[in-house]
Amino acid sequence: EVQLVESGGGLVQPGGSLRLSCAASGFMFSRYWMSWVRQAPGKGLEWVANIKIDGSGENYVDSVRGRFIISRDNAKNSLYLQLNNVRAEDTAVYYCAREMQTAAGPFDYWGLGILVTVSS
Amino acid sequence: EVVMTQSPATLSVSPGVGATLSCRASQNIGSNLAWYQQRPGQAPRLLIYGASTRASGIPARFSGSGSGTEFTLTISGLQSEDFAVYYCQQYNNWPGWTFGQGTKVEVK
Repeated sequence: EVQLVESGGGLVQPGGSLRLSCAASGFMFSRYWMSWVRQAPGKGLEWVANIKIDGSGENYVDSVRGRFIISRDNAKNSLYLQLNNVRAEDTAVYYCAREMQTAAGPFDYWGLGILVTVSS
Repeated sequence: EVVMTQSPATLSVSPGVGATLSCRASQNIGSNLAWYQQRPGQAPRLLIYGASTRASGIPARFSGSGSGTEFTLTISGLQSEDFAVYYCQQYNNWPGWTFGQGTKVEVK
C-alpha cells in the first residue's frame, strides 16, 4: 500500500525557517517524480515544487523560488522541503504528492498533509 | 502561467441526480488535464487524468471530457460521499502545474 506521511510542520515566525519531511513507503520511491502542494486555510490547491527521480533537477512556483528548497534521499525513501524566510502567506497545509509514472503532472497519491503556520 | 477557471463556484444538487462541472484553461493544454475530489478534512484524490481516463478504483459514475481549453467532469447519480470540492489541474505547460479554484458540490 502506498503511503506518504508528512512531518515537521508547526508554528514559525516570519523570516524564520522550517524543514518538512515526507516518508514514503509501499512503492519504488526512486522511480517517481515527487511534488509538494499546499493549501492555505479555506483556499484552493497550489503546486509548490517538484523534483526529478534522482534529485538532479527541481522546479518551483515563482512565489517560493529562492526561499524554498526541495530535496530527496532515495536511500531513505524521503522527500524534504526546506522553507526559508517564510512569510504569512506561506501559512498552509503542505501535502507531499507522487506524480504519476506514466504521465508527469497528475498526482496519484497524496499524504494527509502537515500544517505550517507563519505568525509572530 | 496557464490560468484554470472553474464554474460554477458552488453547485447545489439533490442526491441521485447528475452534476456537470466545467473547467476552462487560458490557453490550449491538449488533454493534459486532471480532476481531483477533496472531502472536508481529507487530502485530494485523483479522479481523472488525460482529461477522460479514470484513475484506479474510481467509480464509473465519474467521467471526464474535453480537450484544448474546455473540459467537463460529469458525475451521474450523486451519492452521499460525492458531496465535496472538485479541482481541475493542468499539466501541459511546464514548469508550474496550476489548479482551478474549485467547485463545491453541496446537497440541495
